[in-house]
Amino acid sequence: AQTVTQSQPEMSVQEAETVTLSCTYDTSESDYYLFWYKQPPSRQMILVIRQEAYKQQNATENRFSVNFQKAAKSFSLKISDSQLGDAAMYFCAYRSTFYNAGNMLTFGGGTRLMVKP
Amino acid sequence: DADVTQTPRNRITKTGKRIMLECSQTKGHDRMYWYRQDPGLGLRLIYYSFDVKDINKGEISDGYSVSRQAQAKFSLSLESAIPNQTALYFCATSDWTEGQETQYFGPGTRLLVL
Repeated sequence: AQTVTQSQPEMSVQEAETVTLSCTYDTSESDYYLFWYKQPPSRQMILVIRQEAYKQQNATENRFSVNFQKAAKSFSLKISDSQLGDAAMYFCAYRSTFYNAGNMLTFGGGTRLMVKP
Repeated sequence: DADVTQTPRNRITKTGKRIMLECSQTKGHDRMYWYRQDPGLGLRLIYYSFDVKDINKGEISDGYSVSRQAQAKFSLSLESAIPNQTALYFCATSDWTEGQETQYFGPGTRLLVL
């Protein structure tokens, strides 16, 4: 079974600065998907960025980018020019490409990001 | 306008009571999911359904049951609620676009079992 670990329960960043959230995972599969989800106080789960394991290029979405290290099984999220609205819980998630896995997302425990004005 | 809605948003119940959490979607997606979120554990899959006649157990299905009444509706029941089922519950749908799957989450139901 796959596991996802987020070793930083809480992080803080100064507004306009850059912060990196860590995620590691364990899998025996060679092809899979990785995701970062944001959960603001409204509780809504919002997809921030996704990475396909067979793609070597790191995904980027505006101020959000990832550092995907497949051999190290590491998938960190970098938030540039942090804004107050970035304050939220961030979850790293893994999904197998195998149909029998039910497209289940396996989540890490989350990192709470605080943004200081 | 919310594409995935959950009712109720918050619920307090007592041990032993039967309760139902409801989920509706207007996205027209075949695949629907129920997750629970506990502090420090992220979200874990309870049940999933690929269509009205296809329902499958997830990682933590014990103590729960589901009903897929229609493509748009997927309900989660706790037959006899217990305090360790206190959690935040999420419904989700998913679709495939351009070879990629995306899951869309509802706003969550916060359940407290006394």
